[in-house]
Amino acid sequence: GAVVSQHPSWVICKSGTSVKIECRSLDFQATTMFWYRQFPKQSLMLMATSNEGSKATYEQGVEKDKFLINHASLTLSTLTVTSAHPEDSSFYICSAVELKETQYFGPGTRLLVL
Amino acid sequence: SQQGEEDPQALSIQEGENATMNCSYKTSINNLQWYRQNSGRGLVHLILIRSNEREKHSGRLRVTLDTSKKSSSLLITASRAADTASYFCATDARGSNYKLTFGKGTLLTVNP
Repeated sequence: GAVVSQHPSWVICKSGTSVKIECRSLDFQATTMFWYRQFPKQSLMLMATSNEGSKATYEQGVEKDKFLINHASLTLSTLTVTSAHPEDSSFYICSAVELKETQYFGPGTRLLVL
Repeated sequence: SQQGEEDPQALSIQEGENATMNCSYKTSINNLQWYRQNSGRGLVHLILIRSNEREKHSGRLRVTLDTSKKSSSLLITASRAADTASYFCATDARGSNYKLTFGKGTLLTVNP
C-alpha cells in the first residue's frame, strides 16, 4: 500500500522556537495533503489542506501565520509551528490523497513545547 | 463540526468474540472510511465504502453503509488481542474536496 512518512517522529523544543515537520509520500504523488492535530484521547482535527503549487487552505480557527504550510513538490509538504508555546504541544499527523479517494496517514509527530 | 460519531466509545471483549462499532454522520457523503490507530501511532486505513455501496468485506472486517439512516458499522470477527486499538470512521462529504471529518472513535480492547 501507499506509504507516507513524517519527520521527525518526536520533538522537544523551548517556548518561542519554531519547529518544522515534514510529510512525504514515498511511493506516490500527492497533489493534496492534509494536516491534522490530535490531543490525547481525542479524535483528529483537520487543520489545513495543503495543495501542491498553491497556498494552503486553513480550517476555521487555525492561525495561518502560526502554522505555516508549504507544499513544495508532489511528494513533500511541510508544517512549521512558529514561535511555539506549550499549548501547541500535540500530536501532528499528515495524510496524502492517493487515487482521489483514500487518504494514507503518516505515523505522526509528537511535539512537546517546554 | 464533528460529523462522524461512533458508538460505543469503548468496547471490551474476549479474544475470539466479534466486535461491532457503529458510526453516524449528518451530511451527504462520497464515501466513508474506517481507520485504526494504535496508541500514540498514526492511522492505518482499513476499508473505504462508497456511497453507492451497501456492504464491503476485507479479511475479518465487514463494513456496512446505510445512507438512508446516515450510518455505518464495522464488524471485526474472531477478534485477536492485536486488534486492540482505537477505531475511527471518517466521512468524505460531497463537495469537500476529499477532506475527511473524523468521529470521536471507539476504543476497542480485546482481552486474551
